[in-house]
Amino acid sequence: AQSVTQLDSQVPVFEEAPVELRCNYSSSVSVYLFWYVQYPNQGLQLLLKYLSGSTLVKGINGFEAEFNKSQTSFHLRKPSVHISDTAEYFCAVSRLGAAGNKLTFGGGTRVLVKP
Amino acid sequence: EAGVTQFPSHSVIEKGQTVTLRCDPISGHDNLYWYRRVMGKEIKFLLHFVKESKQDESGMPNNRFLAERTGGTYSTLKVQPAELEDSGVYFCASSQGVARGETQYFGPGTRLLVL
Repeated sequence: AQSVTQLDSQVPVFEEAPVELRCNYSSSVSVYLFWYVQYPNQGLQLLLKYLSGSTLVKGINGFEAEFNKSQTSFHLRKPSVHISDTAEYFCAVSRLGAAGNKLTFGGGTRVLVKP
Repeated sequence: EAGVTQFPSHSVIEKGQTVTLRCDPISGHDNLYWYRRVMGKEIKFLLHFVKESKQDESGMPNNRFLAERTGGTYSTLKVQPAELEDSGVYFCASSQGVARGETQYFGPGTRLLVL
């Protein structure tokens, strides 16, 4: 079984400041890694995903994440946030090669961008 | 292209009543997933359809939950009878295939409150 831990439930940050959201996972097998974002009153939207290859993954809206296999982490970063980045962010994994691709999510991190 | 839609957006019912949630996936997507987020906890997998067949229903909490996908198009999730602990947000997602790490597209969710 897999598990995902998002170490911060809430992250307040000032506009134009950098932000890092931490995600650690536990799995006995290799996994694919995802970051989703949920804006208020909307569904989850994929920000980026890591399947293989380069450990630095670039996503939409200026976000990027780095896969660190030895530390079993997949932290999400943005160098300069905007008010519109206020949302809840979810880290998720699915098992490599498993049929179905069901996602295991972390508890979410609420980001509040202040002016 | 229309995204994943869910109906209703909100539902308030009393304990013991029945509620049916509906999900319309993106046209052409054979894979349909149900997830649930209870009381601010992590989003958890419920089940996965491939066309009209249940591929994986390992996350269904008990036999009060019944999911169907007649004809391989839209899906319904019925809760009968509803209990207080069923309150939460029910998400539906769809994907075209199950290629490695294929992106799942999420609907806005149905917010269920059982009183």
